[in-house]
Amino acid sequence: GAGVSQSPRYKVAKRGQDVALRCDPISGHVSLFWYQQALGQGPEFLTYFQNEAQLDKSGLPSDRFFAERPEGSVSTLKIQRTQQEDSAVYLCASSLDSAGGHNEQFFGPGTRLTVL
Amino acid sequence: AQKVTQAQTEISVVEKEDVTLDCVYETRDTTYYLFWYKQPPSGELVFLIRRNSFDEQNEISGRYSWNFQKSTSSFNFTITASQVVDSAVYFCALSEDILTGGGNKLTFGTGTQLKVEL
Repeated sequence: GAGVSQSPRYKVAKRGQDVALRCDPISGHVSLFWYQQALGQGPEFLTYFQNEAQLDKSGLPSDRFFAERPEGSVSTLKIQRTQQEDSAVYLCASSLDSAGGHNEQFFGPGTRLTVL
Repeated sequence: AQKVTQAQTEISVVEKEDVTLDCVYETRDTTYYLFWYKQPPSGELVFLIRRNSFDEQNEISGRYSWNFQKSTSSFNFTITASQVVDSAVYFCALSEDILTGGGNKLTFGTGTQLKVEL
């Protein structure tokens, strides 16, 4: 497809379940970002990949959050033992940048996670 | 640490009115980039503009214009002759220069909800 896609679009999990959120970036985009957007707030940075290398994971809120991008394209954000405070929209973005660039990031539609 | 403040939580205007959305930022870097994104009800963030810290020229794109003032650390966004389709949440964002360790991750403000009514 032409844009960033994410799946599933909606996920309901019971507290304590593990979830996996998928992101398909725009083909050829080097950089991939994950953001968390709570209701009524701006997106907050979680983690950043340059190709398959995770260069910044400073925004991950706890060790229950794990992200990977093994082949430098598709990425998965995994949340273990979900808690109610994990309920949010998880946004994926990709950019043509390699190091040093600040081109615009293209965002996917997000995955809305609700933890009951 | 970098910070973006959008003090206006919600603005309501009548169609054809002009409206300005405020954005104030904080950064210790001399090289940085400012962005505006639009988030319509569908939820997907749409890129509007990027400006680097060395380019203080104001920009106009159709009904949209941006006023960048380093002296007041502001990057305000004006919509002229607003339309109902402009109704959305608008986010201002900042990224610092990657060479100083900030990476090109975006720091967003809390957004301004714009409602344009007939």
